[in-house]
Formats: sequence, C-alpha cells, structure tokens
Amino acid sequence: DAGVTQSPTHLIKTRGQQVTLRCSPKSGHDTVSWYQQALGQGPQFIFQYYEEEERQRGNFPDRFSGHQFPNYSSELNVNALLLGDSALYLCASSGMNTIYFGEGSWLTVV
Amino acid sequence: KQEVTQIPAALSVPEGENLVLNCSFTDSAIYNLQWFRQDPGKGLTSLLLIQSSQREQTSGRLNASLDKSSGRSTLYIAASQPGDSATYLCAVGVSSGSARQLTFGSGTQLTVLP
Repeated sequence: DAGVTQSPTHLIKTRGQQVTLRCSPKSGHDTVSWYQQALGQGPQFIFQYYEEEERQRGNFPDRFSGHQFPNYSSELNVNALLLGDSALYLCASSGMNTIYFGEGSWLTVV
Repeated sequence: KQEVTQIPAALSVPEGENLVLNCSFTDSAIYNLQWFRQDPGKGLTSLLLIQSSQREQTSGRLNASLDKSSGRSTLYIAASQPGDSATYLCAVGVSSGSARQLTFGSGTQLTVLP
C-alpha cells in the first residue's frame, strides 16, 4: 500500500516564476493538507482540502492556491515566487484519526 | 492563536541514556497531540498520538504524556540508541469548523552518541 506520494522531490525556480507541486494521498484517505517547513522550523499549515473544496486556510497569501481532484489527489500552486518561499513543502493525508505525511518537495527559489 | 514551544532545541546524549523532550502549548482546546520524528531531508513519521481524553500513550521504548490543563506534553525515550538521532516534533491538533489542522513546535534535534 503506497503511502503519501509527492512530486517533484526537488526543484529550483527563479524569483517571480510559478510552481506546481503534486500529492497523491494514502489509499482510503479523502482529506489532504499542505504544510510549509522552512529550514530549522516546524511545519506551518497552508490549507486543507476535502471534497474538492478548500476547508481551512492558514496565514498564507493568495499567491498560494490549491486544488483537489475527484480521485483525492491535490496540487499546490505558488505564484510570483519570492526568495522566502524556499522551503520543504509537505503534503499530509488523513482519515478518521490518522495522518500520514509524504517525503515532501524541496523548493529553492533563486 | 495556538503556539507550541519545544525545549530544548537541541540535545546530545550518550547511548543508553533515558531522556525527556518537552512540549508546551498555549491553548488547551485541542483534540489531540502527536509526536513526530523527522530525519534530515525527509518527511514526518508519526510516533505517538494522544487523544485529548487520554493521559499517555506508549510504543516500545517511547512514552508520551499529555496534561491538557497545564498545556504540557513530554516524550520519554528509554535506553536511547544512535538510531534515535533525529528531530522530534510535537504537534497539537486543533479544529476550525469542519477542518482540522496541526500546529507544530520547532522541534528538538536529538543526537545520540555511540
């Protein structure tokens, strides 16, 4: 049983560009959350998707947007990249009382 | 706003020692608390989950306690091993409407010396 899978694992973008990160949840999980983890910090909640709708959003600007597809997979889009967006982006899928994290996508903005 | 603090930020111990990692949170209105392990450059692995109605959970050499009234949790690691070296993150689960999210501390970086 595959856990949470994320792609790409690493990427480098230039300031001002746009990026799309992808996540496939664990089988049987219908809720996907995205977190940003800066170096040396704990993950920060970006938003959560359930039934293809954004259910809750953390303190992130509108440059951060997302989508959930009918198969529960999800995308995180970041527009107008800033140097400060460089971080590990983690996807988590959850069931009733369980949560699983993917290995993350390392984004470097130069 | 929920804030989670972990002390110490880093800890180095010799192999075989028992140790305690601390976590505190400011708002007791949580639905659960989890301890995660993160290896360098990797994702998060859930170690222990304590529901808000529980006081502790145990898994092998790990024991986590929760005191909601005082806003504290501890992770006890018995007989530490070099393979325990990692960053340990505490996260409290909070509900907002129909959504649930985790609020994390900054972690404790543990090094177990052989």
